[in-house]
Amino acid sequence: NAGVTQTPKFQVLKTGQSMTLQCAQDMNHNSMYWYRQDPGMGLRLIYYSASEGTTDKGEVPNGYNVSRLNKREFSLRLESAAPSQTSVYFCASRDRGNYGYTFGSGTRLTVV
Amino acid sequence: RKEVEQDPGPFNVPEGATVAFNCTYSNSASQSFFWYRQDCRKEPKLLMSVYSSGNEDGRFTAQLNRASQYISLLIRDSKLSDSATYLCVVNSGNTPLVFGKGTRLSVIA
Repeated sequence: NAGVTQTPKFQVLKTGQSMTLQCAQDMNHNSMYWYRQDPGMGLRLIYYSASEGTTDKGEVPNGYNVSRLNKREFSLRLESAAPSQTSVYFCASRDRGNYGYTFGSGTRLTVV
Repeated sequence: RKEVEQDPGPFNVPEGATVAFNCTYSNSASQSFFWYRQDCRKEPKLLMSVYSSGNEDGRFTAQLNRASQYISLLIRDSKLSDSATYLCVVNSGNTPLVFGKGTRLSVIA
């Protein structure tokens, strides 16, 4: 099915481990986004890429890095995971301008 | 003032009831508006866009008041399956969308 695909769906990490969350969209969208969602906090923007070749920080970028590998793929890397990064991570994409987002199904990450 | 504010609820309503949610936004330059629905432990999904003239999709009606900077969502004849969190979303052009924290709705049999 067309849309936004995130992998993995679930992950448990030990403190200090690193990992990369993958996101790919097949809708030829220009912009891609990474959010985290914690209970009572709503969606918080980590990083985004307005177009291929550009990335910008969002509200909560500390502890994360991103790569816009090509127009389809936007990855999120945790270099040294911390328990505070336990969360649900959503990737989203948008065509341009005044359109809404399409979200992936999320990655549930637990850091112990 | 937060960019997008919503009453977190929960709104507990019986089946068949009509329920309305409001949302206020602070950026008067905002250009487009949406309501998203999020089920527990799932991704948000677009419910409907909100147009200046107001728009309806079945049991759902969305309205925009630019002068007062608020958006509303009306759900008529509530179903058990309407139980979810409803997110108000505001767009100011080629910038990331701004999400409210959501309003939780529980429809009770």
